[in-house]
Amino acid sequence: NAGVMQNPRHLVRRRGQEARLRCSPMKGHSHVYWYRQLPEEGLKFMVYLQKENIIDESGMPKERFSAEFPKEGPSILRIQQVVRGDSAAYFCASSPQGPGANVLTFGAGSRLTVL
Amino acid sequence: AQSVSQHNHHVILSEAASLELGCNYSYGGTVNLFWYVQYPGQHLQLLLKYFSGDPLVKGIKGFEAEFIKSKFSFNLRKPSVQWSDTAEYFCAVNARRDDKIIFGKGTRLHILP
Repeated sequence: NAGVMQNPRHLVRRRGQEARLRCSPMKGHSHVYWYRQLPEEGLKFMVYLQKENIIDESGMPKERFSAEFPKEGPSILRIQQVVRGDSAAYFCASSPQGPGANVLTFGAGSRLTVL
Repeated sequence: AQSVSQHNHHVILSEAASLELGCNYSYGGTVNLFWYVQYPGQHLQLLLKYFSGDPLVKGIKGFEAEFIKSKFSFNLRKPSVQWSDTAEYFCAVNARRDDKIIFGKGTRLHILP
């Protein structure tokens, strides 16, 4: 049973380009969370999604950032017109529905570098 | 809004020393509490969790944590650390009525052999 799969593991973009980060949850998990990690700042909540539904996006910057979790396929975190401050590690986690719903299984992360 | 505060950002201990990492949260309602650990080069993984019942919870690798509701605290403890405990430790909380899980800034623990 594969865990949470994130790709790419490393992504380099120039300022102004778009970055797309993908996350496939664990089999049987229907909830996906995205977090951003910056040095000395810990894990900052960005967005929480279920299939075809954004539950809580209170941690997402108002502009340039969007997330989706379609009925088929992985969840995608999209950053448009990247800036140097977007350089960070982005972690995806998933959880099952029902009992144990709040225990997260994390992926290995995607490290974005903006030149 | 919920928040989590971890008091120590960096902790250095010798092997066999006792460990206590502080965690306080701010939320007035019922909460679930977690400690996650990230070993060097590995994914974040669950160390232990508190949902309800006995406020003293035991996790993997000899770790335990005590939920003290009156203090809004969930400190992590281990009586005798090992070099392999070197890692970054994150406290996390979510309000029962809200599935969003908020993490603290983490504590980097370095154990000297």
